[in-house]
Formats: sequence, structure tokens, C-alpha cells
Amino acid sequence: KAGVTQTPRYLIKTRGQQVTLSCSPISGHRSVSWYQQTPGQGLQFLFEYFSETQRNKGNFPGRFSGRQFSNSRSEMNVSTLELGDSALYLCASSLERARDEKLFFGSGTQLSVL
Amino acid sequence: GQSLEQPSEVTAVEGAIVQINCTYQTSGFYGLSWYQQHDGGAPTFLSYNALDGLEETGRFSSFLSRSDSYGYLLLQELQMKDSASYFCAVRSPFSPLVFGKGTRLSVIA
Repeated sequence: KAGVTQTPRYLIKTRGQQVTLSCSPISGHRSVSWYQQTPGQGLQFLFEYFSETQRNKGNFPGRFSGRQFSNSRSEMNVSTLELGDSALYLCASSLERARDEKLFFGSGTQLSVL
Repeated sequence: GQSLEQPSEVTAVEGAIVQINCTYQTSGFYGLSWYQQHDGGAPTFLSYNALDGLEETGRFSSFLSRSDSYGYLLLQELQMKDSASYFCAVRSPFSPLVFGKGTRLSVIA
């Protein structure tokens, strides 16, 4: 079974541009979460989707948005990029949203904003 | 909201035992998870504790004390390949999985 696939793997943008990141979850998984990872800051929660519905949203500005499609694939968009948005963006999927559900992470998209 | 505290760095000798602590504050609590992430890699699930006590999986063990809002990850017979970052994470009602800032473990010869 294929793992979580994130594209692109690397991305370089300039300030003010917008970017769309894609995530394909493990087949059969209906829950997708997005996290931002920066050195020393751990994994900061961005969004959580389940069956196309946003279940939770983290404490990020409105420039960060996301969505989930009927096939469970998910995208996140960042508009008007800032230098501070440079980070590794991780997507994770799980079957459901059970208490003991473990997340399966993709390798991430490394975004650099110049 | 939730908050988690774990040491930022730990260094240990190959073959030794190391303990990575995690304290948490959360309103409502389902369980504590641990994830491992090697440099340049994706975080991978290690363990989950919902009840007090020790869970053992091979060389790795995880402990939880709900009354103390405290848990730890114990790594035995350390190997060089165990050098990685380790994250604790809490699951609470109606909340996503929230991670600590991670502990970077360096295993030295």
C-alpha cells in the first residue's frame, strides 16, 4: 500500500506570491491533517479534514487555507507569502479520528520564501 | 488549549539507556503518543498510552502517569540509528493531535 504522497517535494517562491501544496493520503484513509514544521518549533497544527469537512483549524492567519476533495486528497494554499512562511509542511493521514489513531506522515514539502 | 514540554536535546552513549520526558497541560485527555523523526525524514509513530503504566515495544518503552500529566519514552540498548528527534503528542476531545517541540537525541560512540 502506497504511503502518504506530498507534492512538490521542494518549492522556492518569493514574497507576495501564493503557493498550493498537495497531499494524497493512504488509500482508504479519510482524515488528513496538515502541520508546519520549523527548526526548534516542533509541529504546529494547521488544519484537519475528515470526509471533506474541516474539523479543526490551527492558529494561523487567514492567508493559510485548505480543502479536501471527495477522494480524500487534500490541498493547502498560502497566499501573499512572507519570509516567515519558510518551513517544512507535513501532511498526515489516518483511517478515522479515533482516540488512539496514529498518523501516517508524508515526507513533506520544503517551502523556501525568498 | 494544550501545551507540552520536553527537553530540547539529549545525548547518550551507544548501548546505554535514555529517558525522554514529557509533561503536558490539556483540558481533557485521551492519550499520549510518541513519534520519531530522522533528519530529512517523515515523523513515524512509535507508541500510544491511554492508561497509566508502561507499554513496551522491543527496545522502546513508553510510560504514562495521568495524575501527574507526565510521560516518558525509554530507549534501551541505544544504537547509532536511534539518533533522531522524538516528539510527544497529546490527543484530547474535539482537538487535533498536538505535538511538543521535540527532543533531539544524539547517540555517541
